[in-house]
Amino acid sequence: EVQLVQSGAEVKKPGESLKISCKGSGYSFASYWIGWVRQMPGKGLEWMGIIYPGDSDTRYSPSFQGQVTISADKSISTAYLQWSSLKASDTAMYYCARRINSDRYPSFDYWGQGTLVTVSS
Amino acid sequence: EIVLTQSPGTLSLSPGERATLSCRASQSVSTNYLGWYQQKPGQAPRLLIFGASSRATGIPDRFSGSGSGTDFTLTISRLEPEDFAIYYCQQYAGSPPMYTFGQGTKLEIK
Repeated sequence: EVQLVQSGAEVKKPGESLKISCKGSGYSFASYWIGWVRQMPGKGLEWMGIIYPGDSDTRYSPSFQGQVTISADKSISTAYLQWSSLKASDTAMYYCARRINSDRYPSFDYWGQGTLVTVSS
Repeated sequence: EIVLTQSPGTLSLSPGERATLSCRASQSVSTNYLGWYQQKPGQAPRLLIFGASSRATGIPDRFSGSGSGTDFTLTISRLEPEDFAIYYCQQYAGSPPMYTFGQGTKLEIK
């Protein structure tokens, strides 16, 4: 069974750093792109970026380039999303999602349960 | 950047009725690159349709997708109580890669 299990909820202060994780199982983790999606409270879905764990090829949405860092460790089947200095506006639910293993159909077929990040002084 | 506009914003229907949700793109989108997702409160999104018209694994056949170019439609033939949720369309554009979501359509019980 394919599963993406994300790390737990975080409460942080502005200016702090944070790294959240997404662990894949039930499939060849290195062979599928993993994307990250933000959902601010009461809002829609925003694509942040995507990584191919096999070679760590990473692409970012222009809206998030320079604001976050996406990485992966294929040896432990885990992808990461990190911030060096959080802002209150980073408060959101963050999802990781696996992309279908075909360049022909770039949709996200499995999703993590989400990690709620709250940034407040 | 391609913008996806979903309509209506909210759709109020009763169980058993037919739902038609629209997704319009600001530029032509490859049919293969259009997906639909369902999100229920407190849950992660779930892929319903990929390639504009192919149902994802385990998705009931009352869900169907159609369209091409700039106009795409998600149809739910006979609404079940569990279908009331928010639906998002999503497209992909390459060089550089961009995955864009529509703003969502809330399907609510009338």
